Amino acid sequence: GDSVTQMEGPVTLSEEAFLTINCTYTATGYPSLFWYVQYPGEGLQLLLKATKADDKGSNKGFEATYRKETTSFHLEKGSVQVSDSAVYFCALQGGSEKLVFGKGTKLTVNP
Amino acid sequence: ETGVTQSPTHLIKTRGQQVTLRCSSQSGHNTVSWYQQALGQGPQFIFQYYREEENGRGNFPPRFSGLQFPNYSSELNVNALELDDSALYLCASSLRTGGKGETQYFGPGTRLLVL
Repeated sequence: GDSVTQMEGPVTLSEEAFLTINCTYTATGYPSLFWYVQYPGEGLQLLLKATKADDKGSNKGFEATYRKETTSFHLEKGSVQVSDSAVYFCALQGGSEKLVFGKGTKLTVNP
Repeated sequence: ETGVTQSPTHLIKTRGQQVTLRCSSQSGHNTVSWYQQALGQGPQFIFQYYREEENGRGNFPPRFSGLQFPNYSSELNVNALELDDSALYLCASSLRTGGKGETQYFGPGTRLLVL
């Protein structure tokens, strides 16, 4: 079945550092790909998405490119802030329209 | 525009009891999905409702059931609660248009503790 694998955390960075969180997927067909963010004690917020190969999703300085050849959707940000501290989830949506999530990567950014 | 709301925010039950969780969709949305998020894990799909009909179900037993109402709000019912049902239950609403990659918008969740 469909699955998502994320790099294991936790990830700890200093403010203004470069962030990469790796995400790879297994799916039949051509899924849509998402990054969601979860702040402490809250639900999930959509960060960005891409629906076809080579699409780049971007929002709030975060970017991810849908790479069909490597089945990847890595999340990047050039300069993280303390307010980016949260748990990040990679997810795919196939034909059934349900979201399949990775286990999440906890990011802590220190001042 | 009102976002997705869920009630209650927290709940404590004992093993064997039954629980009902509620969700109000974002205005204009016609589809509701429910997810279970265990501590430290990613959300797991329970089921989805579209126009009051179940439209897909994950690997959860029949004691997990749901409803969607004409105003597109929804309930998740869990019978015969087990300790492993302790989790954050997330509701997400979306607008099904037949397009690809329709975004699901999540509520804040209901945290259920089963003792």
